[in-house]
Amino acid sequence: DAKTTQPTSMDCAEGRAANLPCNHSTISGNEYVYWYRQIHSQGPQYIIHGLKNNETNEMASLIITEDRKSSTLILPHATLRDTAVYYCIVFYPGNQFYFGTGTSLTVIP
Amino acid sequence: GAGVSQSPRYKVAKRGQDVALRCDPISGHVSLFWYQQALGQGPEFLTYFQNEAQLDKSGLPSDRFFAERPEGSVSTLKIQRTQQEDSAVYLCASSQHTQRGAGNEQFFGPGTRLTVL
Repeated sequence: DAKTTQPTSMDCAEGRAANLPCNHSTISGNEYVYWYRQIHSQGPQYIIHGLKNNETNEMASLIITEDRKSSTLILPHATLRDTAVYYCIVFYPGNQFYFGTGTSLTVIP
Repeated sequence: GAGVSQSPRYKVAKRGQDVALRCDPISGHVSLFWYQQALGQGPEFLTYFQNEAQLDKSGLPSDRFFAERPEGSVSTLKIQRTQQEDSAVYLCASSQHTQRGAGNEQFFGPGTRLTVL
C-alpha cells in the first residue's frame, strides 16, 4: 500500500473549520483514501473514505485532488470533542490498513 | 450495545505468564482484525480472519502470539510467555464485508491494555 505523510500536530479554534492534509503521492488508481480518528483511550473511529470523488457525510468532508496525490479532511465546525489523532490511510482491497502516526488535532476553546 | 467489545479492558501479567484476550465482534460481521498499538504509535496490524479462517497472520510478531476464531464470531488472541515488549493496547475490529468487498469500514473495540511487569 502507498504510504501517507501527515503533519504531526495541528491546532484549530473551536467553531472554525479544521482542515487536515494528507500526502499520498505514490497512490495507485485502485487505492482508496480512508480517514479514521482516535480519541484518547478509545479505539479508532471510522470517519469517511473516497476513491476519486469528493465525499461528504455527517461527520466530515473529504477533498481529493484531481491527481489523487493528496487529500484534505475537513471538519466544518470543530468542537472540543473533535480533539483526537486523525489517521489518513491509503487502502487497496485485499490488503491491510496501515495507520502510521497520524495528526494530533487539538481544538482550542 | 451493538458495538465491538473486548475483555478484559486491562490486564497486568508477570513476565513469562500466558494471557488470553477476548473480542466479541459486531454480530454478523464477516471480517475480524487484531491490532497492536504501542504508546504514541498508530495501530499495527497483527492478523485477519474471514469467518473462522485466518487468512493473514503476517503481522504477528513471534510464534508466541496465536489467534483463533473457531466459530466465526468470538475471537481470542493468546500471548504465551509474555515479555515486557508485549506491553501495548490490543485492538480488535470487525467489518461487515470481506477484505476485497466494498465498504471496508472497520469498527473498533475499546482495546485491552496489557502491561507486562
